[in-house]
Amino acid sequence: EAGVTQSPTHLIKTRGQQATLRCSPISGHTSVYWYQQALGLGLQFLLWYDEGEERNRGNFPPRFSGRQFPNYSSELNVNALELEDSALYLCASSEVNEQFFGPGTRLTVL
Amino acid sequence: QQQVKQSPQSLIVQKGGISIINCAYENTAFDYFPWYQQFPGKGPALLIAIRPDVSEKKEGRFTISFNKSAKQFSLHIMDSQPGDSATYFCAASVSGNTPLVFGKGTRLSVIA
Repeated sequence: EAGVTQSPTHLIKTRGQQATLRCSPISGHTSVYWYQQALGLGLQFLLWYDEGEERNRGNFPPRFSGRQFPNYSSELNVNALELEDSALYLCASSEVNEQFFGPGTRLTVL
Repeated sequence: QQQVKQSPQSLIVQKGGISIINCAYENTAFDYFPWYQQFPGKGPALLIAIRPDVSEKKEGRFTISFNKSAKQFSLHIMDSQPGDSATYFCAASVSGNTPLVFGKGTRLSVIA
């Protein structure tokens, strides 16, 4: 069974630009979570999508947004990039209890 | 604020020894407590998880001990091996399929 996949692996942007990150969940999983793993800050919850709806968002500004498509894949958009947005962005999918993570997208903002 | 506090920040253990990582939580509504293992450049991998209705859960060399009254839980890695060298995260959530609140991680180094 294929795991959670994320693309791209690495993304380099300059301050003020927009970034789009993509996630494909495990087949059969309807929930997708996004987490930010910044150096020294651990994993912080960003957004949760389930059945195409945004269910919850973490303590992040509105320039972090996303959506979930009918096939349950998801994309995370970060507008007006700032230097401190540089981090590993992790997507996890879940069916009931357990969350399974993808390999992440490393976003670097210059 | 919902928090999960994890200690120690880093841990060095001899090969064959026992690695112990501790976590404490504040929100009594938490009822699902997973542990994740993360290698450099990889996403976190689910290792083992426990619910408050049991005090201990064992899977191979990995054991979670849970103390509901103290609001603490810990991961024990028996017979630690160099391949166990990774960062370990504890986490907690309410009713499983909700966002996880993570501890800040423990970097484990197992030396021969």
